[in-house]
Amino acid sequence: QVQLVESGGGLVKPGGSLRLSCAASGFTFSDYYMSWIRQAPGKGLEWVSYISSSGSTIYYADSVKGRFTISRDNAKNSLYLQMNSLRAEDTAVYYCARLLGSKFDYWGQGTLVTVSS
Amino acid sequence: QSALTQPRSVSGSPGQSVTISCTGTSSDVGGYNYVSWYQQHPGKAPKLMIYDVSKRPSGVPDRFSGSKSGNTASLTISGLQAEDEADYYCCSYAGSYFWVFGGGTKLTVL
Repeated sequence: QVQLVESGGGLVKPGGSLRLSCAASGFTFSDYYMSWIRQAPGKGLEWVSYISSSGSTIYYADSVKGRFTISRDNAKNSLYLQMNSLRAEDTAVYYCARLLGSKFDYWGQGTLVTVSS
Repeated sequence: QSALTQPRSVSGSPGQSVTISCTGTSSDVGGYNYVSWYQQHPGKAPKLMIYDVSKRPSGVPDRFSGSKSGNTASLTISGLQAEDEADYYCCSYAGSYFWVFGGGTKLTVL
């Protein structure tokens, strides 16, 4: 069965960096586009970034452009999100999600990132 | 990239029907037939309930249905059950590999 497992979240100071990982299993990872989506505490969902199956096409929400970098390693069935220059407003649960057509059909359980001094 | 507009909350009694609206613009909801809906129970990951405006993934009860008119999409849940109590989010493709979500609607089953 499809599984997505995020890791790497934690407490970080403003201006700091963190790298999130998402381990995929149960499907041919290299065939699928992927995204990161986040949810601030008590708030709604926010799309963060998209990466094509090969990694050649990448897009970001304006709120993270220039600070976050999405990448993938198809040999390791893994998706990553490098987050730099973190701000308090980046505090959220970060989900990785598989993209099929226009829909996010499978989601991980999420990893919490807290940006606070 | 403004969030889609959803009512903060809706409620209904078991067996009744409720409809949740999702209003966007001609650049997202109105421009593409790529609206999806997600159910999220507290502390859990979102689950896909409707995609491409009105299609249901396998395993989703046919009590859940979706539609769209102009810049507004809707999710209707008929025959409400206690387990339907959750937060619901709409999402629309907005072109150029961008997606936008709604602010979420809390469904209470009375």
